[in-house]
Order: sequence, then C-alpha cells, then structure tokens
Amino acid sequence: GAGVSQSPSNKVTEKGKDVELRCDPISGHTALYWYRQRLGQGLEFLIYFQGNSAPDKSGLPSDRFSAERTGESVSTLTIQRTQQEDSAVYLCASSMGAGELFFGEGSRLTVL
Amino acid sequence: GQQLNQSPQSMFIQEGEDVSMNCTSSSIFNTWLWYKQDPGEGPVLLIALYKAGELTSNGRLTAQFGITRKDSFLNISASIPSDVGIYFCAGPPYTSGTYKYIFGTGTRLKVLA
Repeated sequence: GAGVSQSPSNKVTEKGKDVELRCDPISGHTALYWYRQRLGQGLEFLIYFQGNSAPDKSGLPSDRFSAERTGESVSTLTIQRTQQEDSAVYLCASSMGAGELFFGEGSRLTVL
Repeated sequence: GQQLNQSPQSMFIQEGEDVSMNCTSSSIFNTWLWYKQDPGEGPVLLIALYKAGELTSNGRLTAQFGITRKDSFLNISASIPSDVGIYFCAGPPYTSGTYKYIFGTGTRLKVLA
C-alpha cells in the first residue's frame, strides 16, 4: 500500500480482555517496528521484525505482550489480560532495512 | 538503557522567529532521524542524517549530525503557526545493532501568531 496502515484506529476494552492490533507495512519494507506512546510521552520501543523474525523483543513490557509477523508483511501485536496501564497509542512503523522509519496513524487503546 | 535527551522540553516562540533544539546521547549513533508529530497522528519524518558532520536542509529546516556522533540539532527558520507540534529525534545506538531505533523525549513547540 501507499503507507503504513493500522487497525483498529480506536479500541476500547474492559480490563482483563485480550486485544489484537494489526499493522500493514509499506509494501517491500523488510523491517517493522512497534512502539507505545502514553499520553504526553515519547515513543517507547517494544519490538522490531527483520523479515518474519524478531531479533529484539527487549521492549515488550511483560509476558502479556506478544507480536508476530507473517509473509514478511502483516504484523499483529497481542495484549492479553489487558490492564489500565496498557492504555496508550500503539504505533507501527516500517523501513527498508536500516533506513528511515515510516509510521502509521496508530491504534489508540483504552482499557476501562 | 540507552536514552536520548532532547532540549528544550517545550518552547513558546513568536511567529517568524528561528527555533533551535538538540538531542544528546551517551551512546554513539550511526543515523539520526528527526520527526514531527501532530496531535492524534503518527510521527512524520523531516530529515535523515547518516554521516558525522553532515548538515542537511529541507525547506526551512536544517539538521546536523554531531561530530562526536552523540548529538544532533534541528533548526527551524522563520517559524509559522503550522510548525506547532512535538519534534522527536531518533536513531539506532551503535551498540544495539542497526535496527533498534530509540526516540528522544521530544520538544513541544508552540508558535504564537
């Protein structure tokens, strides 16, 4: 596609429920990144993929968070048993290897 | 962990004034990226820097990759109201490998008409 696409754009869920956030990167981009941005804060690195592999998962906050990427394309970030502290905007970006990152609009998650 | 410190944290300026902000790190960087984020949107790339000492312009924006590879600055000349937003620096620390891009704490810019 023309740009990075994320869905849903907004998600409201109840504490304890699982959520899935999807990212469609720019076609041909080999690297894909997930970041979390709390209200008024900077971007917190979660994980990145090179192809379908995740060489660095060091930013995932807990074992409730997981991510996968298939077909060197779509990626899903899953948060299990959501907590109120998980409320944030989750941003996805893609790039051609070590090049510039291009971001989607983000998925805003609200945990009640 | 590695951190990127940006200063100032926020600034209010008059339309037409020049703006300068910088980003510093305790680690060496191979690449510096500068982004602008508007409310409710994802960050948008402004300038990319790939070599120590490099000075690059994009319209009214100018950015430089510090000689020590531990800092970068962004200048905006003749600011206009649409320059309002949050500016982030980003890059992959040399010791982390090529692909782990971390972001600075951000500089929040407000332009008074």
